[in-house]
Amino acid sequence: EPEVTQTPSHQVTQMGQEVILRCVPISNHLYFYWYRQILGQKVEFLVSFYNNEISEKSEIFDDQFSVERPDGSNFTLKIRSTKLEDSAMYFCASSGLAGPTDTQYFGPGTRLTVL
Amino acid sequence: AQSVTQLGSHVSVSEGALVLLRCNYSSSVPPYLFWYVQYPNQGLQLLLKYTSAATLVKGINGFEAEFKKSETSFHLTKPSAHMSDAAEYFCAVSDGDSSASKIIFGSGTRLSIRP
Repeated sequence: EPEVTQTPSHQVTQMGQEVILRCVPISNHLYFYWYRQILGQKVEFLVSFYNNEISEKSEIFDDQFSVERPDGSNFTLKIRSTKLEDSAMYFCASSGLAGPTDTQYFGPGTRLTVL
Repeated sequence: AQSVTQLGSHVSVSEGALVLLRCNYSSSVPPYLFWYVQYPNQGLQLLLKYTSAATLVKGINGFEAEFKKSETSFHLTKPSAHMSDAAEYFCAVSDGDSSASKIIFGSGTRLSIRP
């Protein structure tokens, strides 16, 4: 069964460093998303991406964040200068169609720890 | 704006007992609702989704949920709990105003199963 994969599973970094979180969405999907879950809190939407551009972003997704689909398979989230409060589990998701009824398939997540 | 509220951050039931996890929604448009499950150290897996086709939705692992517009509820049930059901459960609603339809999650309910 196709699945979304994410690497690494756990990333530890120093405050101020840049990190890139990688995702491989399901191969025929067209819509891509990043969400995050701070420990003990709810899952929050960060950004959606379609046709090589951002469709929507939340207020969390400030200038320190960027997304890219550098090739036909990978979808990355870059945090330019990490802060302590960026420590969270980051989930990538993908869906095949637009619209509120389509299922988003989530990856296993990358746990980011900022020291 | 769409939102969901999950009643009870922690629910504990005995093995074989009924599981009932509560979710109420708020939506300005007909809602599209989901239940996701997160097993320890894993990603989010879709249990079931409501897309207005039928008010009683059957999902995986014996779970089902009933959409009740009069009560603005979408509670998740399972007739007989199994030890393997221990996980975090998230109710969610699709943001129908968004072209890429981000998902808005509830705060989650941790389900524990007593032997």
